Amino acid sequence: KAGVTQTPRYLIKTRGQQVTLSCSPISGHRSVSWYQQTPGQGLQFLFEYFSETQRNKGNFPGRFSGRQFSNSRSEMNVSTLELGDSALYLCASSSLGLAGDETQYFGPGTRLLVL
Amino acid sequence: GNSVTQMEGPVTLSEEAFLTINCTYTATGYPSLFWYVQYPGEGLQLLLKATKADDKGSNKGFEATYRKETTSFHLEKGSVQVSDSAVYFCALSGRMNYGGSQGNLIFGKGTKLSVKP
Repeated sequence: KAGVTQTPRYLIKTRGQQVTLSCSPISGHRSVSWYQQTPGQGLQFLFEYFSETQRNKGNFPGRFSGRQFSNSRSEMNVSTLELGDSALYLCASSSLGLAGDETQYFGPGTRLLVL
Repeated sequence: GNSVTQMEGPVTLSEEAFLTINCTYTATGYPSLFWYVQYPGEGLQLLLKATKADDKGSNKGFEATYRKETTSFHLEKGSVQVSDSAVYFCALSGRMNYGGSQGNLIFGKGTKLSVKP
């Protein structure tokens, strides 16, 4: 099975712009979670989508949003970019379920630099 | 709330040395516990996991045992190699009331391991 893919791998934006990142989960996985990784704050959970519904959300401002499509692919959007949004954004997919494997499998990440 | 505490790095070892990276957690209920590894410029790779007390996860010579009495999940390897140099993250997955995963992993701050030949 192909792993989790994320596009683009690298992005450079300027303050005030917006950005959209994309994630394709492992085939058959219906849960997609997003994380932000920075040297100062470490790995922080952004949100999780399951069957096109946001099930869980971390403590991030409303500038960070996401969605999931019927094929389980997910996008996250950051509006009005700030310098502090520079980070590695990681997507993870899971088959999740009461009796299912809850292990999250990560993509390579999108490295965003805000100038 | 749920949290994970792991030993601060960096940890520098010689090849073939014994490795221990400590990880303790705070959680309600019975979380699943994971170790992930991140190589430079890459995403996270699952190293091993344990889903209930006394479970031992193992992979590539690494081991960790889910200890509920000490709320710990320490990572060990008997003989490290240069190729093990990476950052290691301990994580837990909380549970919903119905038993399913909460869908968000809570990570420790990571421990950077450097292995010298």
